[in-house]
Amino acid sequence: SQKIEQNSEALNIQEGKTATLTCNYTNYSPAYLQWYRQDPGRGPVFLLLIRENEKEKRKERLKVTFDTTLKQSLFHITASQPADSATYLCARAERSNDYKLSFGAGTTVTVRA
Amino acid sequence: DVKVTQSSRYLVKRTGEKVFLECVQDMDHENMFWYRQDPGLGLRLIYFSYDVKMKEKGDIPEGYSVSREKKERFSLILESASTNQTSMYLCASSLGQDYRSSGNTIYFGEGSWLTVV
Repeated sequence: SQKIEQNSEALNIQEGKTATLTCNYTNYSPAYLQWYRQDPGRGPVFLLLIRENEKEKRKERLKVTFDTTLKQSLFHITASQPADSATYLCARAERSNDYKLSFGAGTTVTVRA
Repeated sequence: DVKVTQSSRYLVKRTGEKVFLECVQDMDHENMFWYRQDPGLGLRLIYFSYDVKMKEKGDIPEGYSVSREKKERFSLILESASTNQTSMYLCASSLGQDYRSSGNTIYFGEGSWLTVV
């Protein structure tokens, strides 16, 4: 099966700094990767999607990159705020069943004021 | 906005009981999913359905079954609950197989916390 791994369970940063989260996958590149945010006790919420032919995608203070050579996606939160504190999940789709996503275990970000 | 509604937020059941977790989506989505989420293990797919009465096993189907009699409703059934099924269960839906437009973004419900004692 295709694996997807997020490099760390927790990340603590100072308000105003940039948080960088890593997502690595094995074997072939997926058609796209997705990033979700999950608050405690809630379901995940979609943030961004990046396709394999896209190098970078931005949405407000969020930026995602996709490097098929390194088999890696980076997720950046710039000018971080305490309200950005949450768990962030990356997900990949299987090429044969592209509607079936596999999720990483998540990285919990805590932004200190 | 897409809404995925899980009928029960918190449940406590006894070992051996039959448990039904119900989920309804209001956006005419083709695909529906049941995941469970455990600390350190992330989201694991139990079952998914790509059409009414159609289902496929996910990564951890043992001990579970599902039912999709109507497009908007997807039920997860624990035939005989066990303590190792204590977890948070998440229902989700997505539009369909045209990933070019939607990327098959998954919309999640708020989760059902099940404790089996």
